Amino acid sequence: QQQVKQSPQSLIVQKGGISIINCAYENTAFDYFPWYQQFPGKGPALLIAIRPDVSEKKEGRFTISFNKSAKQFSLHIMDSQPGDSATYFCAARDTGNQFYFGTGTSLTVIP
Amino acid sequence: DSGVTQTPKHLITATGQRVTLRCSPRSGDLSVYWYQQSLDQGLQFLIQYYNGEERAKGNILERFSAQQFPDLHSELNLSSLELGDSALYFCASSPRQQSYNEQFFGPGTRLTVL
Repeated sequence: QQQVKQSPQSLIVQKGGISIINCAYENTAFDYFPWYQQFPGKGPALLIAIRPDVSEKKEGRFTISFNKSAKQFSLHIMDSQPGDSATYFCAARDTGNQFYFGTGTSLTVIP
Repeated sequence: DSGVTQTPKHLITATGQRVTLRCSPRSGDLSVYWYQQSLDQGLQFLIQYYNGEERAKGNILERFSAQQFPDLHSELNLSSLELGDSALYFCASSPRQQSYNEQFFGPGTRLTVL
């Protein structure tokens, strides 16, 4: 059973557009929600993360929106660039320090 | 470069065999995490060690085992290999046991079981 459900599976966006990736979870014990970016042939790298006591976190062009009541969180990439083309994973951590990852979204930004 | 090293980069072996994957965490990091990434299952957490002790266990098969040594490097042992074990295996490290901060991922080991 997938603990964290991620959509869409793939996304194509024009340069300068907004990329939006969504994740949903069921376990209310999750206490940390990171997003990872992975380029081909590389390991995932932390992009941005949020704790459930905050509804939004912004770092540069990347924003996490967190809706605790709906048990959903999303990644927004503003002014998307070709260099943002990568696979993005959302994740959630439980109180036992186990991480659960979404299935990934392959983002392609067209010049 | 995350500072986490993994060896070997690629490994090809046959069903029924046993392999060992090695991970060296970033200097000073005490926690090591192992993950399996396959096309159909995505990124799956396997196990975490902190300063030599097992701290969290995920979807790790009984045929798999891991340990962290006094110098903090870690090894993941996979035995009685099956075709379905073919995947990318990542190691990640972080400074603390509870990783509210960044987990730094290594480049991965690609295991192919024929």
